[in-house]
Amino acid sequence: GAGVSQSPRYKVAKRGQDVALRCDPISGHVSLFWYQQALGQGPEFLTYFQNEAQLDKSGLPSDRFFAERPEGSVSTLKIQRTQQEDSAVYLCASSSRTQRNEQFFGPGTRLTVL
Amino acid sequence: QKEVEQDPGPLSVPEGAIVSLNCTYSNSAFQYFMWYRQYSRKGPELLMYTYSSGNKEDGRFTAQVDKSSKYISLFIRDSQPSDSATYLCAMTQGAQKLVFGQGTRLTINP
Repeated sequence: GAGVSQSPRYKVAKRGQDVALRCDPISGHVSLFWYQQALGQGPEFLTYFQNEAQLDKSGLPSDRFFAERPEGSVSTLKIQRTQQEDSAVYLCASSSRTQRNEQFFGPGTRLTVL
Repeated sequence: QKEVEQDPGPLSVPEGAIVSLNCTYSNSAFQYFMWYRQYSRKGPELLMYTYSSGNKEDGRFTAQVDKSSKYISLFIRDSQPSDSATYLCAMTQGAQKLVFGQGTRLTINP
């Protein structure tokens, strides 16, 4: 595919469940970002990878949030013991080595925690 | 106070009007400025990307940056109903995380 893809598009979890959200970046893009978007707000940064290295995880709200990109392509954002305040849209973005400031976003995963 | 401030609107204008969307920011380290358009239940789509102060035009869209005032704008000429969306300003120090405004919800009425 030509763009960033994310799966699942929608996820409903019971409070306390673990969830895993997947991001497939644009082929060849070295940088990958995760953002969290609450209803009616702009996206907020969670974490950033360059290839397989996680260079910035300052936006992860708690140690229940964990992200990985083991082979430098697909990334997974994992949330353990979900809470209601984790309900949001989780967006993934990628950028290329030559146009590092232009981030292209996927459609997002809408997580609802009951 | 947030690093990037954006009036959330909503903003409603008639078709054909000129639309002006604005953001202010406090961090003088921001060097790169973007405007994204986000339709309901979709991811943000990059519209405009600028680096220096001044204007950049792309079709009906003009992005303006004033680094001395820490103020950026997006102008939409000849607005169309298909322009109805949420517009997000974003900025970065360079090859790093984007810091977004809250987004302005825009409706163009036929």
